[in-house]
Amino acid sequence: SQQGEEDPQALSIQEGENATMNCSYKTSINNLQWYRQNSGRGLVHLILIRSNEREKHSGRLRVTLDTSKKSSSLLITASRAADTASYFCATAKAAGNKLTFGGGTRVLVKP
Amino acid sequence: DVKVTQSSRYLVKRTGEKVFLECVQDMDHENMFWYRQDPGLGLRLIYFSYDVKMKEKGDIPEGYSVSREKKERFSLILESASTNQTSMYLCASSHIRDPAYEQYFGPGTRLTVT
Repeated sequence: SQQGEEDPQALSIQEGENATMNCSYKTSINNLQWYRQNSGRGLVHLILIRSNEREKHSGRLRVTLDTSKKSSSLLITASRAADTASYFCATAKAAGNKLTFGGGTRVLVKP
Repeated sequence: DVKVTQSSRYLVKRTGEKVFLECVQDMDHENMFWYRQDPGLGLRLIYFSYDVKMKEKGDIPEGYSVSREKKERFSLILESASTNQTSMYLCASSHIRDPAYEQYFGPGTRLTVT
């Protein structure tokens, strides 16, 4: 079964709007990571948040983590057409351990 | 810049054939991983390796084997390809001492088994 489940599965927004996607997981984790995948390509690491952190920022990205609810959210502010991609959360049960990926959220940013 | 390369972007094989997928990384990473990606299922870990000649099963190892004879190269082997192994295969690597635990991915190989 999937450790991480993203919600929604797909999202369509206008350029300039914010995009929010959520990830839920089942067991305790050491860290949670978000990756982006452009069509037909490999994944690119966006941001990591550790289990003792509640919020992190990187440029236009904001990630939150609620370990009591076993959930995380990724917010992309002021979206651009280039943000069109699939976004995956991945969890690690221990530091440096293997990652377990969710099914992903497909984001379409319309110009 | 970390670079992970995969031997083919697209591959078409027949049922029963032995298939080799090669992955090479140029950053001296200790960890290497093979995933398959299917629509709606995300990435599922097939095998991973923490060192040369070491391998560990992931979540879906059945029908696959791996080989890591050199640190920079990790091969995925389909002993007898079947149609349900049609998928996108992604290789990744990471540094064991990377505090970000970031995995670097190759571009993927889209395998079709007919």
